[in-house]
Amino acid sequence: QQPVQSPQAVILREGEDAVINCSSSKALYSVHWYRQKHGEAPVFLMILLKGGEQKGHEKISASFNEKKQQSSLYLTASQLSYSGTYFCGHGSSNTGKLIFGQGTTLQVKP
Amino acid sequence: SQTIHQWPATLVQPVGSPLSLECTVEGTSNPNLYWYRQAAGRGLQLLFYSIGIDQISSEVPQNLSASRPQDRQFILSSKKLLLSDSGFYLCAWSQNSGTQYFGPGTRLLVL
Repeated sequence: QQPVQSPQAVILREGEDAVINCSSSKALYSVHWYRQKHGEAPVFLMILLKGGEQKGHEKISASFNEKKQQSSLYLTASQLSYSGTYFCGHGSSNTGKLIFGQGTTLQVKP
Repeated sequence: SQTIHQWPATLVQPVGSPLSLECTVEGTSNPNLYWYRQAAGRGLQLLFYSIGIDQISSEVPQNLSASRPQDRQFILSSKKLLLSDSGFYLCAWSQNSGTQYFGPGTRLLVL
């Protein structure tokens, strides 16, 4: 079952904040977040392995609510370089395979 | 450090022709390997994954196949391409069930 991401698209001005949500109808073993620039391969942002875990890298952070079977990605004080499509993927415990959401397109304008 | 290579970078093929895309990983041993396809403007569809040589699982029934002749080599093939096979093909690797790292991708256009 594919995770559901919301919103599908968001447009921001530089310096504004955004939240991207990822929810699943199945119990989540792990949640992986990636960003893909147009025409390029997805780039790993972070992985959350257990409920309640929160991680951050510079002004991008994420949380994982195991009970609610959802994760959220927080982008603070967005920069132009944050533009791209963000994908969440939920992982399998034994094979490592990921099932990705449909993606959220983020556009940051000056 | 680990690196992942894919070739060719771009490919234009006629309908009905065969296909072979290659992916190799350096700097690690016994990785899990994955093939994804991404249609224009769409998400990432997992096609195949492999946890070892000759251990390949197919996720989506289609006219594609995958092989893993060596530990760090993963090949995606087709005997006869369809128009719907056009897309961006991405190979990825991981150690066990950890983070997946993607290769640069192959852009395939079937005419």
